[in-house]
Amino acid sequence: DTGVSQNPRHKITKRGQNVTFRCDPISEHNRLYWYRQTLGQGPEFLTYFQNEAQLEKSRLLSDRFSAERPKGSFSTLEIQRTEQGDSAMYLCASSSDMGIGLYEQYFGPGTRLTVT
Amino acid sequence: AQSVAQPEDQVNVAEGNPLTVKCTYSVSGNPYLFWYVQYPNRGLQFLLKYITGDNLVKGSYGFEAEFNKSQTSFHLKKPSALVSDSALYFCAVRSSNSGYALNFGKGTSLLVTP
Repeated sequence: DTGVSQNPRHKITKRGQNVTFRCDPISEHNRLYWYRQTLGQGPEFLTYFQNEAQLEKSRLLSDRFSAERPKGSFSTLEIQRTEQGDSAMYLCASSSDMGIGLYEQYFGPGTRLTVT
Repeated sequence: AQSVAQPEDQVNVAEGNPLTVKCTYSVSGNPYLFWYVQYPNRGLQFLLKYITGDNLVKGSYGFEAEFNKSQTSFHLKKPSALVSDSALYFCAVRSSNSGYALNFGKGTSLLVTP
């Protein structure tokens, strides 16, 4: 499977705990995005990387959220001191700056976070 | 600011009939427009895009969309609906002269009945 993969697919955690999600983009894609989707809503942009550089962050990305893409390949999204309002589906997407997929983003299956 | 409106929460259509899912947008600069489909417990799948050129764009699974600049609309269409088209459809936009973040609508649930 050469699509975007995300792990874990589901995560249940208690309020106040830290969680980390991983995203592996399509191998030749140099751009990687994180979105959050809550029930009944469309995805909301969180942040994006071009190679290893984090170039844009949404105001939704509070200080408790941090994302990294250390070698320009996979990325991690960490949420510290989770709150119930963090419960959502976290989606990762990737795109390329050349060739097929120049404009569209390809999404992974998501990680569903439940904070109890 | 960029935004997308999908005025219908749900669209019901009989199998074999044409379907339309509506989308209007607001963006500064030229719009890049996209349609995605989401099946239960699965990620978003790209259907089609408008970047420039012909106003009628064709995509996957027989879907097409018409870009109308004067009405700032990008409605998704299919001449003959299938039961398997039942899913959640999202319209998204970004500007040609800003960042790469996509702004999504709330989604429209399409139900195709046999």
